[in-house]
Amino acid sequence: LAKTTQPISMDSYEGQEVNITCSHNNIATNDYITWYQQFPSQGPRFIIQGYKTKVTNEVASLFIPADRKSSTLSLPRVSLSDTAVYYCLVGPYSGAGSYQLTFGKGTKLSVIP
Amino acid sequence: SQTIHQWPATLVQPVGSPLSLECTVEGTSNPNLYWYRQAAGRGLQLLFYSVGIGQISSEVPQNLSASRPQDRQFILSSKKLLLSDSGFYLCAWSYRDRVYEQYFGPGTRLTVT
Repeated sequence: LAKTTQPISMDSYEGQEVNITCSHNNIATNDYITWYQQFPSQGPRFIIQGYKTKVTNEVASLFIPADRKSSTLSLPRVSLSDTAVYYCLVGPYSGAGSYQLTFGKGTKLSVIP
Repeated sequence: SQTIHQWPATLVQPVGSPLSLECTVEGTSNPNLYWYRQAAGRGLQLLFYSVGIGQISSEVPQNLSASRPQDRQFILSSKKLLLSDSGFYLCAWSYRDRVYEQYFGPGTRLTVT
């Protein structure tokens, strides 16, 4: 499994766009990039997944450069309710026989009023 | 749409007592099912996963066991709880070929006293 590195914490004011970058230098050809959000005392919530270029849904955008060695989760106009821990995971879409999702420590985003 | 249920939400049990946590999924068939534990301030640890009825794989040796008596039912058990079993237990499901897109239940907060 590719190792991921992301900032431990980030602060942002309400209404700003937040970009959280994840490094995954040894990403494999068949690996996808997946982001989860976790609020205190809740289970992680799947946010977005992508393979290359850009993916957008109603919650966030995911930008993946051509070399795929990093990815950026973009949250538009954050609110206080976006305060959470965000996890970047890298691995094969189907798991390829491995069901172990490694969540790591994630990035703790604090949105300030 | 798919829904995942877990109960109980909170549980306080004495050391040496048995444990049974239940998880059910609605709205999908033949899901992969997972049990995770998150200790205070720690990352998620995969305990068990199942790809079908009666098929259980363990990721971490411990005094816990899991069973899948029905397609959409997953049970986590212990005959004798230890203090170290305290934590936040999460059940999750995924489609068979989308291991990295998991959907988590609300969790059970277990305190062993």
